Amino acid sequence: GQQLNQSPQSMFIQEGEDVSMNCTSSSIFNTWLWYKQEPGEGPVLLIALYKAGELTSNGRLTAQFGITRKDSFLNISASIPSDVGIYFCAGRTSGTYKYIFGTGTRLKVLA
Amino acid sequence: DTEVTQTPKHLVMGMTNKKSLKCEQHMGHRAMYWYKQKAKKPPELMFVYSYEKLSINESVPSRFSPECPNSSLLNLHLHALQPEDSALYLCASSPQTRVVNTGELFFGEGSRLTVL
Repeated sequence: GQQLNQSPQSMFIQEGEDVSMNCTSSSIFNTWLWYKQEPGEGPVLLIALYKAGELTSNGRLTAQFGITRKDSFLNISASIPSDVGIYFCAGRTSGTYKYIFGTGTRLKVLA
Repeated sequence: DTEVTQTPKHLVMGMTNKKSLKCEQHMGHRAMYWYKQKAKKPPELMFVYSYEKLSINESVPSRFSPECPNSSLLNLHLHALQPEDSALYLCASSPQTRVVNTGELFFGEGSRLTVL
């Protein structure tokens, strides 16, 4: 099925460092969602974005809806060991129920 | 309460068995989804129900049969599956409606299916 380009594919960082990841699409989206998934669990919604240029925070997480509406960014500040997991973006175009997922960014935090 | 409940959490079945996966949400969401997820891959859309009617079928083989008995329940009936169908099956729901064109997508914890 169709997927979004998400980068980086994986990251190994030291505890306390900041993390940045992004998703790009060839299509214009009207909704961007960011998820975290841990092994054996379902994805947990972190942040939802609905307007171009929108910047939304959830604790140490901040996500932005790109101005072109074809990309989105997620930043995690001052990472901690429990941030470990796979982060997925998901996008949806107007008038459809179909959410398309990014390829995922695997984050590992070294204490 | 943003909870989507899936049962069973784990299921092992033979290729000749018939089994079902169940999903329930009480958030009043009118859109419900089945996704399939292989290890280290993103979720892949299988089916979408909107107002209890099948809205999207992503060319899924007929050995997977979805059912939406009411606005809170979603089932996935499984029959004559293949070992390559082993995966995590995720149910999700969204408050998106025909009028409200935005909405988050909330997932359950998934049902881990193993086909022997």
